[in-house]
Parts: sequence; structure tokens; C-alpha cells
Amino acid sequence: DAGVTQSPTHLIKTRGQHVTLRCSPISGHKSVSWYQQVLGQGPQFIFQYYEKEERGRGNFPDRFSARQFPNYSSELNVNALLLGDSALYLCASSVGTGELFFGEGSRLTVL
Amino acid sequence: GQSLEQPSEVTAVEGAIVQINCTYQTSGFYGLSWYQQHDGGAPTFLSYNALDGLEETGRFSSFLSRSDSYGYLLLQELQMKDSASYFCAVSVTGGYNKLIFGAGTRLAVHP
Repeated sequence: DAGVTQSPTHLIKTRGQHVTLRCSPISGHKSVSWYQQVLGQGPQFIFQYYEKEERGRGNFPDRFSARQFPNYSSELNVNALLLGDSALYLCASSVGTGELFFGEGSRLTVL
Repeated sequence: GQSLEQPSEVTAVEGAIVQINCTYQTSGFYGLSWYQQHDGGAPTFLSYNALDGLEETGRFSSFLSRSDSYGYLLLQELQMKDSASYFCAVSVTGGYNKLIFGAGTRLAVHP
């Protein structure tokens, strides 16, 4: 069975641009979460969706938005990119409490 | 606020036992998880404790004391492949499966 897949794997943007990151959860998983991981730190919670509804939001500015589609895939959008948005963006799917299945991530570099 | 503390680095030799401690301060606590992340890879789930006590999974064990807001991950019979970063994470309210991660403990296993 396929795991969580994310695209693109790497991307480079310039300040002020917009980026869309995509995630496909494990088949049967209805919950998708997004995390930002800066080098040397732990993942930081951005959003969580369950059955296409936002169920949680972390302490991120409104430039960050997300949605979940009827097939449970999800996308994360970031507008007006800043240098500080450079990070690994991780998507995770889950069925139970505490156990997240992470994708390999999308590494974003903002120049 | 919510915070987790774990040592930044631990060094051990092959075959040894190492314990990585995690203390947390949080509200709406559901449970404590542990994740392993190799350089350049995605975090992978190791264990989850919702109740006090010890959970054992092969060479890895995890412990939780809710009254002390404390947990640990015990790694036995260390192997070189165990060299990685280990994150404790608390499941909290505010999301169906919202995790707050610690900054991680970098484990180096030497021959």
C-alpha cells in the first residue's frame, strides 16, 4: 500500500510569491495534518482536517491556508512568502490518536 | 502555553541502553508519542502512551507518568541504525489529532 505522498519534493520561490503544496493520505485515512519543520527543530502544527472540515489550526499567520478535497487529499497554500517560511513542510494522515503517518515532505526554499 | 523539554543530544555505544526523557507542560493532554527521524527523512511513529505505565515494542519501550507530566523512551541493544533524532510529542485538544512536538534529541550511536 502506498504511504502518504507529497508534491513537489523540493521547490525554490522568491519573497512575495505564492506556493501550493499537495498531499495524498494513506488510503482509508480521513484525517490530514500539516506541519512545518525548520532545520534543527521539531515539527510545528499548522492545520488539521478531518472529513473535509478544519478541526485545528496552529499559531500561523493568515497567509497560511489549507483545504481537504472529497477524496481526502489536501493542499497547503502560503501567500506572500517570507524568508522565514523556508522549511520542510510535512503532511501526515491518521486514523487513531497519537499515531501520525508522515510523508517525506516538501522542502521549500524562499530566496 | 505548551512546552516540552528533552535533552538536545545523547551519545551511546552499540549494544548499550539509552533513556531519553521528556517533560511537558500542556493543557488538554491526551497522550505522549515518540517519533524517530533520520537525517533527510520523515518522522516515523514509535510509540504512544495514553495511560500511566510502560509500553514495550521490541527493543523500544516508552513510559508515561501523567501525574509527573513526564515520560521517557528506552532504547535497548543499540544499533548503528538507531542514530537519529527522537521527538516526544503530546496529543492535545484543539484538533482531532493535534500533536505538539519537542525540539528533539539527537542520538549518536558509536561502535
